[in-house]
Amino acid sequence: DGGITQSPKYLFRKEGQNVTLSCEQNLNHDAMYWYRQDPGQGLRLIYYSQIVNDFQKGDIAEGYSVSREKKESFPLTVTSAQKNPTAFYLCASNQLGGFANTGELFFGEGSRLTVL
Amino acid sequence: GQQVMQIPQYQHVQEGEDFTTYCNSSTTLSNIQWYKQRPGGHPVFLIQLVKSGEVKKQKRLTFQFGEAKKNSSLHITATQTTDVGTYFCAGPNSGYSTLTFGKGTMLLVSP
Repeated sequence: DGGITQSPKYLFRKEGQNVTLSCEQNLNHDAMYWYRQDPGQGLRLIYYSQIVNDFQKGDIAEGYSVSREKKESFPLTVTSAQKNPTAFYLCASNQLGGFANTGELFFGEGSRLTVL
Repeated sequence: GQQVMQIPQYQHVQEGEDFTTYCNSSTTLSNIQWYKQRPGGHPVFLIQLVKSGEVKKQKRLTFQFGEAKKNSSLHITATQTTDVGTYFCAGPNSGYSTLTFGKGTMLLVSP
């Protein structure tokens, strides 16, 4: 089935360790996104990519890094520089349509990171 | 930057009551999208509104886009326990490359 796969679903790490969250899509979408979700805060954009080998910072990029070496893959690394990394991370993709049609986002099931 | 605000933040209703959530943008939007996230789940796309004053219905859900394209609402008639979740609105940024989400309205429905 077509969709977005995130792994792992749950991750525990010690403070100061880098962690990488995987996101793979087989929808043939050009654009991919990483959002962070905290209780009562909605979804905040971390990074996004509209084409292979190119990506842009979102609203809360500090302490995170990404790569886009393949169209299907957009991994997110939460570095030790991220001051409060415990959160629910959501990967999404879409096909951009321009002015009147931003293109619906398809989300993965998310990765819940807990830093001890 | 662009801000998208939603009210109320939380609402608890009895099954069968109606529910409405409101979304307001600081800027005029080319379109607005609505998503639903069930507890423990991920957001799922519900609908996109494009035209000024547009009204769309999906069974018991009615979506409206304001005349000025700066506000929107989602109304659920006769709520059911299956409607439980958080409803988000989202609008595109000026470059139409990303979506800015509201903080969502959490709906709890008691049987």
